[in-house]
Amino acid sequence: GQQVMQIPQYQHVQEGEDFTTYCNSSTTLSNIQWYKQRPGGHPVFLIQLVKSGEVKKQKRLTFQFGEAKKNSSLHITATQTTDVGTYFCAGLSGAGNMLTFGGGTRLMVKP
Amino acid sequence: SAVISQKPSRDICQRGTSLTIQCQVDSQVTMMFWYRQQPGQSLTLIATANQGSEATYESGFVIDKFPISRPNLTFSTLTVSNMSPEDSSIYLCSVEGRIYGYTFGSGTRLTVV
Repeated sequence: GQQVMQIPQYQHVQEGEDFTTYCNSSTTLSNIQWYKQRPGGHPVFLIQLVKSGEVKKQKRLTFQFGEAKKNSSLHITATQTTDVGTYFCAGLSGAGNMLTFGGGTRLMVKP
Repeated sequence: SAVISQKPSRDICQRGTSLTIQCQVDSQVTMMFWYRQQPGQSLTLIATANQGSEATYESGFVIDKFPISRPNLTFSTLTVSNMSPEDSSIYLCSVEGRIYGYTFGSGTRLTVV
């Protein structure tokens, strides 16, 4: 079945440093979604990428979808303590509605 | 996006007992999804619940252990049956967002002792 791998598993950064998490799927995706889960919270939808090579920005967050639609990245510029949480990518493939989640990257930011 | 009310938010249960988790959505949705998130882990889909039909379970999950009801287009329940400490997890329901993405309930944090 479809697998979605995400690295790194953990990342400690100093406030103000940049952060990137990478996502790779074993199969071509119809779209990829990114979610943020704060400690003790539930996943919250951030964005969806659909087109090959697509790049989207949300303030300090930049999301990319690879040309082959099998990989994606999330880059945060100048991290803040409010960025703390676990970031998950989730891939949708084929005609189904089933999301396959990556393992998540837990971001910790030191003030 | 849809608003989901999930209950209970947390519970501590004795092994061998069962717990039923409820999710109420503020709009009608075709499919509802139930996930399990073990401590420090990612989300794993348990089953997809369609109104008026049997839920579709993912590999490793069976109806006898995780019976699901979907009586109407705004409500679903997941029961965790005959619980053991290995069932201690966060259980989440989810629906497709009105435009895109998925909306999650606030989760049920289950501890089995």
